[in-house]
Amino acid sequence: GAVVSQHPSRVICKSGTSVKIECRSLDFQATTMFWYRQFPKQSLMLMATSNEGSKATYEQGVEKDKFLINHASLTLSTLTVTSAHPEDSSFYICSARDLPPGWVGGEHQPQHFGDGTRLSIL
Amino acid sequence: AQKVTQAQTEISVVEKEDVTLDCVYETRDTTYYLFWYKQPPSGELVFLIRRNSFDEQNEISGRYSWNFQKSTSSFNFTITASQVVDSAVYFCALSEVSGGKLIFGQGTELSVKP
Repeated sequence: GAVVSQHPSRVICKSGTSVKIECRSLDFQATTMFWYRQFPKQSLMLMATSNEGSKATYEQGVEKDKFLINHASLTLSTLTVTSAHPEDSSFYICSARDLPPGWVGGEHQPQHFGDGTRLSIL
Repeated sequence: AQKVTQAQTEISVVEKEDVTLDCVYETRDTTYYLFWYKQPPSGELVFLIRRNSFDEQNEISGRYSWNFQKSTSSFNFTITASQVVDSAVYFCALSEVSGGKLIFGQGTELSVKP
């Protein structure tokens, strides 16, 4: 159980293109999804937290107009990198967490991660 | 401030050796959760274990074991009789009380050679 699917796994595109990445929870309802960015040989950096039906909460230094996040359903969140440039090239990975109704402490449920998207902007 | 430190950037061992990955954390919260994740070369993160701050019992799962010591703010991970398939980057993470955001350590790249 707890499978998160991320698509596409790899994108190569020209500078100025907008790229959409999808993150789906396949066998559970994800009330909260997270988007991370990872540079080579580095740790995961949280970009934003999205809760279904509300606006995403962005971490300091992350441009919300550059990285558009939509979490329209309990099983799907999307990250759109708008007008991507070479410096946006990175590994983007999403995670999802199920918070059972009324379950105190559910925010500490393990996050289940997608396979990641390797974005290369030429 | 919340912080997770994995001082070992890279570790290389020969198959069947035991190896311990260190994790030290800082937090002002009295309630918190600690996690270990594995990231193989393919990139996905695989959840290994979650431990809450009130449970200091050590845990063993097959060849994996975890040693949680609040007194030293450490949550170390030991792989016994390592195998080539254990080669990966391992991340230790701390979950904030509010919102449950994960704060990751820098990761330890483990290379197990045949």
